Amino acid sequence: EPEVTQTPSHQVTQMGQEVILRCVPISNHLYFYWYRQILGQKVEFLVSFYNNEISEKSEIFDDQFSVERPDGSNFTLKIRSTKLEDSAMYFCASSLLTGGDEKLFFGSGTQLSVL
Amino acid sequence: GQQVMQIPQYQHVQEGEDFTTYCNSSTTLSNIQWYKQRPGGHPVFLIQLVKSGEVKKQKRLTFQFGEAKKNSSLHITATQTTDVGTYFCAVGGEYGNKLVFGAGTILRVKS
Repeated sequence: EPEVTQTPSHQVTQMGQEVILRCVPISNHLYFYWYRQILGQKVEFLVSFYNNEISEKSEIFDDQFSVERPDGSNFTLKIRSTKLEDSAMYFCASSLLTGGDEKLFFGSGTQLSVL
Repeated sequence: GQQVMQIPQYQHVQEGEDFTTYCNSSTTLSNIQWYKQRPGGHPVFLIQLVKSGEVKKQKRLTFQFGEAKKNSSLHITATQTTDVGTYFCAVGGEYGNKLVFGAGTILRVKS
């Protein structure tokens, strides 16, 4: 079955540093998402992306966050100045159709630790 | 925005016992999806329910969508250790551009 791939699997950074989390969605999918999950908690929506622009974002997705699709395959999440509370597992996901109606395929996640 | 309440938060069962998790919404849903997340893993799609009163089965798993399309359940018959994980329901957001997850039910199975 096709997969969403994410790199790195683990990222440790100092508070205030910038991080970029990378994702390669499934090749024919049109909708891309970032979710995060703080240990033991629910899977929280951050942002959805379609046709090279953000289609929806949550309150968590403030000015410190940005997303980009720099080429035809990669989808990135940048956190400009990390805070301790940004420590979480970040999941990238993609879907063929819009996420409200279509199943999402998740990557294995990037565990971000902010020290 | 669209929200869904999921209960119980946690269930610990003896292997062979049954397990059920429930999701409830205050508004009518167009559809509902269910995902499983193994410990240390990522959410994996199980099923989508669309029709009022729909019942779908996958081996020992039975999924139901309420007649009013405001609630859903996942029932596992005769749990096995491989069923361990967190089960999430998920519904479309108000504008259809995202999937909103319930809080999840953590299932632990004692062998």
